[in-house]
Amino acid sequence: NAGVTQTPKFQVLKTGQSMTLQCAQDMNHNSMYWYRQDPGMGLRLIYYSASEGTTDKGEVPNGYNVSRLNKREFSLRLESAAPSQTSVYFCASRTGYRTGSKAGGLTDTQYFGPGTRLTVL
Amino acid sequence: GDSVTQMEGPVTLSEEAFLTINCTYTATGYPSLFWYVQYPGEGLQLLLKATKADDKGSNKGFEATYRKETTSFHLEKGSVQVSDSAVYFCALSGSDKLIFGTGTRLQVFP
Repeated sequence: NAGVTQTPKFQVLKTGQSMTLQCAQDMNHNSMYWYRQDPGMGLRLIYYSASEGTTDKGEVPNGYNVSRLNKREFSLRLESAAPSQTSVYFCASRTGYRTGSKAGGLTDTQYFGPGTRLTVL
Repeated sequence: GDSVTQMEGPVTLSEEAFLTINCTYTATGYPSLFWYVQYPGEGLQLLLKATKADDKGSNKGFEATYRKETTSFHLEKGSVQVSDSAVYFCALSGSDKLIFGTGTRLQVFP
């Protein structure tokens, strides 16, 4: 059981280049997420997929696209990389299980991958 | 909208000192509350959680109690170790995603 895996671990791009960050989970989770982490900014949600076949924008979606390829895989694409996209990118997943009343939030644990460190020159 | 506020760091302590990291939240409904920890160079991992009011989450000597009346979920540990040095994130669970605080860096010196 590998949990959440991300590839690559490190990447250096030139401005304008494109690339896809890959994420896969083997826990049969319904929901998957992409975050970026910048110094002093905490985690910011880029896109998420609450279930297979759906994707939604998070706080900072501009310059990114996502694909929920199947239940296991959720990729993040940078079509034309910019220096402002230099960051550490984390993928995460969770079952999406909710208990209690309709007003109750999700109760399950979210699991994170090890991250991809991206530098755009 | 829902939000989480946690104390700014860094928090610097000597080994065996008592730790408190404050976390307060604003939310509609009845969210679950979480503390995640990030060690250097790694992703986040769950430290503890509480899913309803008055629940206490605990793990590795850390504790936090879900206080609905004060909308708080403060993290405490009685005696920190150098190995506890990390960034700690408070989070609440919205309808389909987590809302994170900005993180608090803890540095523990021998």
